[in-house]
Amino acid sequence: DGGITQSPKYLFRKEGQNVTLSCEQNLNHDAMYWYRQDPGQGLRLIYYSQIVNDFQKGDIAEGYSVSREKKESFPLTVTSAQKNPTAFYLCASSLGVGSYNEQFFGPGTRLTVL
Amino acid sequence: DQQVKQNSPSLSVQEGRISILNCDYTNSMFDYFLWYKKYPAEGPTFLISISSIKDKNEDGRFTVFLNKSAKHLSLHIVPSQPGDSAVYFCAATSSGGNNLFFGTGTRLTVIP
Repeated sequence: DGGITQSPKYLFRKEGQNVTLSCEQNLNHDAMYWYRQDPGQGLRLIYYSQIVNDFQKGDIAEGYSVSREKKESFPLTVTSAQKNPTAFYLCASSLGVGSYNEQFFGPGTRLTVL
Repeated sequence: DQQVKQNSPSLSVQEGRISILNCDYTNSMFDYFLWYKKYPAEGPTFLISISSIKDKNEDGRFTVFLNKSAKHLSLHIVPSQPGDSAVYFCAATSSGGNNLFFGTGTRLTVIP
């Protein structure tokens, strides 16, 4: 079964702690993305990666970091510098650059910072 | 600045009737538009798309209309079914672009 997995589904952390959200895809997609969704708002792009070992900031990258060491994996770290980390985080992937590629989404991780 | 707008946060429709969800955009460079459907606590799933060279695209009960001069698109669902109840996001992108710009979503409730 091809798809995108995100783990865990629910995550609780204390304020001031860094936390890493996992995203794995077996669709052989080149591009991967991280979005954040808050109540009543659309999806906002945090970071994206078009190819291994390369990534770009999205609209709201402050307080977040990513890595793309493998094609299949694009973990997101929510650092203590992120002022409002509690949100629903969505990972997505698409075929690649330069064409109209629909993005496929994972099931999401709901992060709650206490 | 929100480049893709969905001004109706919610919509209720009777089962069997037509649902019309609207979306407006401001960036004239956008030339490809998508609709996603999202259930609670799940990721969005792709529903239907349209390129700016067309003004209509149909897939079963779902039809998307694009009015480029008005920078407006709409999603028609007919007939609406209770299983269509979800949040619908409109998204847009430009030629060669990877990034999707999403609207804030419209929650559709289909009443049996």
